Amino acid sequence: DAMVIQNPRYQVTQFGKPVTLSCSQTLNHNVMYWYQQKSSQAPKLLFHYYDKDFNNEADTPDNFQSRRPNTSFCFLDIRSPGLGDAAMYLCATSLAGSTDTQYFGPGTRLTVL
Amino acid sequence: EDQVTQSPEALRLQEGESSSLNCSYTVSGLRGLFWYRQDPGKGPEFLFTLYSAGEEKEKERLKATLTKKESFLHITAPKPEDSATYLCAVQGGYQKVTFGTGTKLQVIP
Repeated sequence: DAMVIQNPRYQVTQFGKPVTLSCSQTLNHNVMYWYQQKSSQAPKLLFHYYDKDFNNEADTPDNFQSRRPNTSFCFLDIRSPGLGDAAMYLCATSLAGSTDTQYFGPGTRLTVL
Repeated sequence: EDQVTQSPEALRLQEGESSSLNCSYTVSGLRGLFWYRQDPGKGPEFLFTLYSAGEEKEKERLKATLTKKESFLHITAPKPEDSATYLCAVQGGYQKVTFGTGTKLQVIP
């Protein structure tokens, strides 16, 4: 089945220690998104790639970076995680068109000690 | 700025007790309204996309409807396995998708 895969499912890091989360997809979608979701809150868009074009949300901290080496893979790098960065990180994909239905991966739960 | 408000925040139903979840929205040029189901600790699972007022879609016990100002997710004769948080989202003219905070549904046997 075509899907969105995220690894790892759970990540524990220390305050200030860089961490990388990965996302891969077999849907052949050209748009990939990274969201941050905290408990009982709506998913918050951090950035997205439209093909190779990177689009950063205005309020995304500089601490968050992303790479998309090819169509299938996308990475989220958190350069110096703080306690406030503990959250669920969701990757989603869509096929760009007039309406972009997004399909989500299972998420990575990040804990910062 | 696009806005999505979902109500109620939480809903507790007896098994078999039908009900509706509401999603009110304001958006500049609706391109699509989306419903997702999210289980604890997991990513949102896509349910429906609605494109224009008057449209309805069904899947098993769920039926989504759309007007110019709101969408309803009707749950008919729910079962305990329908317990989850249901998220509504809209995509407007600027193409950004805006999510609501969800309705947490609990269905009691």
